[in-house]
Amino acid sequence: QVQLVESGGGLVKPGGSLRLSCSASGFGFSGYYMTWIRQAPGKGLEWVSFIGSGSNVIYYRDSVKGRFTISRDNAQQSLYLHMDSLRADDTAVYYCARMLYGYNYFDYWGQGTLVTVSS
Amino acid sequence: QSVLTQPPSVSGAPGQRVTISCTGSSSNIGAGYNVNWYQQVPGTAPKLLIYRNNNRPSGVPDRFSASTSGTSASLAITGLQADDEADYYCQSFDTSLSSDVIFGGGTKLSVL
Repeated sequence: QVQLVESGGGLVKPGGSLRLSCSASGFGFSGYYMTWIRQAPGKGLEWVSFIGSGSNVIYYRDSVKGRFTISRDNAQQSLYLHMDSLRADDTAVYYCARMLYGYNYFDYWGQGTLVTVSS
Repeated sequence: QSVLTQPPSVSGAPGQRVTISCTGSSSNIGAGYNVNWYQQVPGTAPKLLIYRNNNRPSGVPDRFSASTSGTSASLAITGLQADDEADYYCQSFDTSLSSDVIFGGGTKLSVL
């Protein structure tokens, strides 16, 4: 069955960096777009970034452009999110999800990893 | 605030029918982009509930249905059950903003 498992979250100081990973299994990872979506404590869902199956298409929300970098390794069936210049408002649970591009929905989600930006 | 507007909360008694609205604009729902719905039980990851406006993934009961009209969408839940208590989010696409993928602010469903 499809499984997505995030890791790499933790406590980081403002201005610091963190790299999130998402390990995929149970489906042909290289054939799917993938995405990161976050949820601040007590708040709603907020899309962060998505990446095409061959890494040829990459989009970010404006508030993370220039600070976050999405990437993937199809051979390792892994998705990554490198986050630099972290701010307090980046504090959230970060979910990776499989994306059905063209229809633009997310059919499988990981359990999430918590990123806390605080001094 | 969110580009897609949802009521913060709705409630209903077991067995009743409730609806959750999702209001967008001419640059997202009104432009023909699909609306999708997710259910999130507190403390867990969101789960796809409805995709491409009115389709249910396998395993989602037919008590859940959705529709779109103009710049709005709605989710209907019939035969309300206690385990339907969760947060519900609509989601669509919009290329005119700072975020291509947009979510509603979420609606908390309480089963009385």
